Amino acid sequence: DQQVKQNSPSLSVQEGRISILNCDYTNSMFDYFLWYKKYPAEGPTFLISISSIKDKNEDGRFTVFLNKSAKHLSLHIVPSQPGDSAVYFCAASEGAQKLVFGQGTRLTINP
Amino acid sequence: DAGITQSPRHKVTETGTPVTLRCHQTENHRYMYWYRQDPGHGLRLIHYSYGVKDTDKGEVSDGYSVSRSKTEDFLLTLESATSSQTSVYFCAISENRGRTPYTFGSGTRLTVV
Repeated sequence: DQQVKQNSPSLSVQEGRISILNCDYTNSMFDYFLWYKKYPAEGPTFLISISSIKDKNEDGRFTVFLNKSAKHLSLHIVPSQPGDSAVYFCAASEGAQKLVFGQGTRLTINP
Repeated sequence: DAGITQSPRHKVTETGTPVTLRCHQTENHRYMYWYRQDPGHGLRLIHYSYGVKDTDKGEVSDGYSVSRSKTEDFLLTLESATSSQTSVYFCAISENRGRTPYTFGSGTRLTVV
């Protein structure tokens, strides 16, 4: 049972435009959400998080939106840069429980 | 990340042989995790530890065992390697189990031939 789903395996975006990565979850008790970025031959690195008491969190070019009623999480990258090309994982946790990860979306930024 | 190292980085082994992967941390974090990453499956938890000698199974634990005799070291053993265990293995650490980012190591690419 996949509690966290990233339904788009890949996404291609032109440099300078907005990249939107999506994540859906099924567990309504999740209260903490994160995005990780992963380059080839490296481990995932933490990008940004959001608590369920918020619906938006920004960090520079990265903004995470949370829609609790739709059980949907998205990551916006504006403007997209070539260095943003990577695999992005969303993750969620319920209280003190372990993080649950999605399958990942490969983002390619085209010049 | 300098606070967590995995060894070896690459390994090729034969079917049926035991293999041990090592994760070492210098952050003194309580929680340590082993994940495998496979195309289409994302990051799947194999085992995790919540303290010295305290471990528990994750979602894909069959064929794997772990040990944690010191806070800083978490070992993953493939008891008898199979081709289905060809994967990239990541160790992660965290201060708390939930509501906190995990820090990942650089990974071990394991090929079972």
